[in-house]
Amino acid sequence: QQKVQQSPESLIVPEGGMASLNCTSSDRNVDYFWWYRQHSGKSPKMLMSIFSNGEKEEGRFTVHLNKASLHTSLHIRDSQPSDSALYLCAADTNAYKVIFGKGTHLHVLP
Amino acid sequence: NSKVIQTPRYLVKGQGQKAKMRCIPEKGHPVVFWYQQNKNNEFKFLINFQNQEVLQQIDMTEKRFSAECPSNSPCSLEIQSSEAGDSALYLCASSLSGRGYAEQFFGPGTRLTVL
Repeated sequence: QQKVQQSPESLIVPEGGMASLNCTSSDRNVDYFWWYRQHSGKSPKMLMSIFSNGEKEEGRFTVHLNKASLHTSLHIRDSQPSDSALYLCAADTNAYKVIFGKGTHLHVLP
Repeated sequence: NSKVIQTPRYLVKGQGQKAKMRCIPEKGHPVVFWYQQNKNNEFKFLINFQNQEVLQQIDMTEKRFSAECPSNSPCSLEIQSSEAGDSALYLCASSLSGRGYAEQFFGPGTRLTVL
């Protein structure tokens, strides 16, 4: 069964620092990776998606994808306390089913 | 902002009781997903629909869970005989496509507590 592994489980960074989150799929048929952010008590909201090898940047957020290793990473520069949340990685394998990882809890300390 | 509507926001049931929750997808979104998020924040895909047809569902859904998306009515997820382990946040999401290239927009969820 396809799995999406995220690391670390929890991450603490100082305000203004760089947060780096990782995600790997065990299924070679992955077409798309998604990154979602879920603040405590709220529903998940999409941050970015990526399906091509390389890098994609939107503001303070950068996503990398290495399709050969099925690994994606999310980097948040100049982290803010409002970035503190659960970050979820999801993968789609052309099967109309999106699998989510267990998430990384990010804590940005002021 | 997402316009997916889920009702009720909170649901409390006794073991063995039926639990039913509803979802109205964003206008124009033909695909609806149901997920279960447990107290450890772990997501589990349950089922998804395109219009009224089931695209995918997991084995668990086929046993005690039932879901439908009738035309011109809210989608619904029903647990026939609730168990303590069913206590979770049930999230509905809608999308333009069942494929991963289409963003999923989530509703606020229904938090089910089974006593």
